[in-house]
Amino acid sequence: AQSVTQPDIHITVSEGASLELRCNYSYGATPYLFWYVQSPGQGLQLLLKYFSGDTLVQGIKGFEAEFKRSQSSFNLRKPSVHWSDAAEYFCAVTEAGGGADGLTFGKGTHLIIQP
Amino acid sequence: AAGVIQSPRHLIKEKRETATLKCYPIPRHDTVYWYQQGPGQDPQFLISFYEKMQSDKGSIPDRFSAQQFSDYHSELNMSSLELGDSALYFCASSEAETTDTQYFGPGTRLTVL
Repeated sequence: AQSVTQPDIHITVSEGASLELRCNYSYGATPYLFWYVQSPGQGLQLLLKYFSGDTLVQGIKGFEAEFKRSQSSFNLRKPSVHWSDAAEYFCAVTEAGGGADGLTFGKGTHLIIQP
Repeated sequence: AAGVIQSPRHLIKEKRETATLKCYPIPRHDTVYWYQQGPGQDPQFLISFYEKMQSDKGSIPDRFSAQQFSDYHSELNMSSLELGDSALYFCASSEAETTDTQYFGPGTRLTVL
């Protein structure tokens, strides 16, 4: 069965500092990987996705992520965080070409921004 | 750009009542997914539909059912509601032929008293 692990439940970062959120997946087949962001009581907004090709993918709001097959990781990064980045971040996986398969999410990482 | 529409946004029900949640996908999207997110939890996949046929099934209780209609909107029907059904229910949509990317709606917050 597929699974996603986000080792950090909470992360606190100072505004303007760099950020890295970790995501590890366990999946037998070729995965499609996603990062979503959720503000309190809101829906999930897609930040970026990896399907194939270049292992460094760029997303919205200045985020990027790097797929490392050897480490089964898909870590999210941002060079300089803003107070508006405070939110819950979810890594998710589904089967490549699986059509209408559901996403499996990690437990999420709560990002706190210090002034 | 048009997004996924969910209605109602908030719903309060009593135990053992029924509830119906509606989802209107992004135009031209033919696939709909339902997720349940409990307080402080990650979203859990319930069920998906492609071209009005059930496609994938997750941890959907037997008390719940769903369908997709000819205009691609979907409804999640929940019966014999329990306190534990209180959660955010998200609908997502995608265009299955071209992408596996799911776009989420704002959610329906269901409170069972």
